Amino acid sequence: GIQVEQSPPDLILQEGANSTLRCNFSDSVNNLQWFHQNPWGQLINLFYIPSGTKQNGRLSATTVATERYSLLYISSSQTTDSGVYFCAVDGRGSTLGRLYFGRGTQLTVWP
Amino acid sequence: GAGVSQSPSNKVTEKGKDVELRCDPISGHTALYWYRQSLGQGLEFLIYFQGNSAPDKSGLPSDRFSAERTGGSVSTLTIQRTQQEDSAVYLCASSLAGAGVSGYGYTFGSGTRLTVV
Repeated sequence: GIQVEQSPPDLILQEGANSTLRCNFSDSVNNLQWFHQNPWGQLINLFYIPSGTKQNGRLSATTVATERYSLLYISSSQTTDSGVYFCAVDGRGSTLGRLYFGRGTQLTVWP
Repeated sequence: GAGVSQSPSNKVTEKGKDVELRCDPISGHTALYWYRQSLGQGLEFLIYFQGNSAPDKSGLPSDRFSAERTGGSVSTLTIQRTQQEDSAVYLCASSLAGAGVSGYGYTFGSGTRLTVV
């Protein structure tokens, strides 16, 4: 299957700081998604971004498909940004229906 | 409905018992997915439905696990003779279109936390 690596595994920030999370993947992919899992376990889709750049408020994401990586930018972080950020890519061929998830980046934002 | 609904939200069962977990996808979503997440781990794929059929069941960990989907809507994941290693959060997701169709992200439910004692 496709390997998805996320870095850093843990990130601790002071409120107001900016951060960049990275996702590397081992093969060309059709689709890539970023998710936020809040401290209560709910997974929220942040971006569907197979290529290019998207922005949503303080969050933006860029995927460079030809170089097999994606970046998630969080600006002016808030305590509510805390949680785990997952990157996930679609399988191909016989695994077309599944998402391959990275192990996530645990973000903690202190007031 | 407005979101993906899963029930029960929590389930504690004795080792050896059977359990059924339910997922109600967003109305009109043709694709439905089951994943599980063990404590501190990432998400593990279990099974994927396109309509009522399951093109990929290869993620089911053993023959104690089965799933079905009826009417292109509700899905049930059944675990027979539960073991302690089955303890995890079971997450269901749906999307408007199936695998290989660009442009559609996943919406996850809140999950069922299963504890086998």
